[in-house]
Amino acid sequence: QSALTQPASVSGSPGQSITISCTGTSSDVGGYNYVSWYQQHPGKAPKLMIYEVTHRPSGISDRFSGSKSGNTASLTISGLQAEDEADYYCSSYTSSTTPFVFGAGTKVTVL
Amino acid sequence: QVQLVESGGGLVKPGGSLILSCAGSGFIFSNYYMSWIRQAPGKGLEWLSYISTGGSYTDYADSVKGRFTISRDNAFNSLYLQMNSLRVEDTAVYYCARRFCSGASCYPAAFDVWGQGTMVTVSS
Repeated sequence: QSALTQPASVSGSPGQSITISCTGTSSDVGGYNYVSWYQQHPGKAPKLMIYEVTHRPSGISDRFSGSKSGNTASLTISGLQAEDEADYYCSSYTSSTTPFVFGAGTKVTVL
Repeated sequence: QVQLVESGGGLVKPGGSLILSCAGSGFIFSNYYMSWIRQAPGKGLEWLSYISTGGSYTDYADSVKGRFTISRDNAFNSLYLQMNSLRVEDTAVYYCARRFCSGASCYPAAFDVWGQGTMVTVSS
């Protein structure tokens, strides 16, 4: 099972909005609304930011939002802040023999 | 507080075996599906395996199927990963993670509580 496709890096200035894409196939991202996003700071465990494409767990800032169109899911960070600098991973349920797959990760840099 | 703590990592030779443990606290461990997820140095996340609440259902990534076995002991709030026939490419930080549930609903591919990870190095 190939990893979902994410851009290697995305950058933006404080206060700006950025969007990270996550492209899969009709067997994963496009076929199910089980897409999640994780934030990972260096040396730390991942943190769940978005589940079921658009939903935020309790305690997650509304500056983080998720969406999906076809086989591509997206995470948008609005009002970019210094603490948003981290790696971001998407994940999806899949109908393949490996039921869950992650993206390769996107490094977000705050300029 | 809600917490997962992994242990058991270390250095092992190719072809060797290792057992990882994950202790849960601060929540009703037996109510949650649990997974193992790993991250090779400088690389992305890779889901490995999950186990149902009672342990009856398990599934594995193709990369570890037949070599790794997941299990749990709810009496001890513990999750395990038996790793056999280890390869150099199994070198990674191994995390245990809880499937996210909200109210009566639980969500595939969403993991809301993670341990700090335990490092496994496979090298001769």
